[in-house]
Amino acid sequence: AQTVTQSQPEMSVQEAETVTLSCTYDTSENNYYLFWYKQPPSRQMILVIRQEAYKQQNATENRFSVNFQKAAKSFSLKISDSQLGDTAMYFCACAYNAGNNRKLIWGLGTSLAVNP
Amino acid sequence: SQTIHQWPATLVQPVGSPLSLECTVEGTSNPNLYWYRQAAGRGLQLLFYSVGIGQISSEVPQNLSASRPQDRQFILSSKKLLLSDSGFYLCAWSAQGWRGASYEQYFGPGTRLTVT
Repeated sequence: AQTVTQSQPEMSVQEAETVTLSCTYDTSENNYYLFWYKQPPSRQMILVIRQEAYKQQNATENRFSVNFQKAAKSFSLKISDSQLGDTAMYFCACAYNAGNNRKLIWGLGTSLAVNP
Repeated sequence: SQTIHQWPATLVQPVGSPLSLECTVEGTSNPNLYWYRQAAGRGLQLLFYSVGIGQISSEVPQNLSASRPQDRQFILSSKKLLLSDSGFYLCAWSAQGWRGASYEQYFGPGTRLTVT
């Protein structure tokens, strides 16, 4: 069975500092994608960053970057220069093909508070 | 560009009443469509997904049903609501599962349902 585990239910960081959110996953698929989604208090689910499993290079999107360790099945998210607007729930997810469908397996989320 | 709409945004319904939540997608064709429920601001539970008109797959047995009468329309229904149906309902779309298509899902703004 495919699983995604986020071991940090809550985290906090001071504004302008760097924080790393952890995620581990387990899949038997050879072709899969990994994602981090952000859900702010508005509850709109927003895609933050994606990583294709066959790419060794870590994905980066502005202040957001990932550390993808395929052998260890680890996919952490680093937020640099944290801003108050980064306060949100962050979900790690793993996507794979299931016939004609793309299924996402979700972690339970990490609640991040950025403090002024 | 693609957009996804959900309505209503908020709904308060008594136990035993019917339910109809609607989701529509613009700017894409033949999308995969998904209904999720999120309870207590935590993880997402996949309820239904659809890979085409009239094709519905249920992930968990429950009091709800889904229909896809048009390519870009996805409806979540119930004949009689239960207290346990309260939650935040999210609709999402992704590209079909053909080679080269992206794996990520894009979400609507959600519907907050309270069953009283």
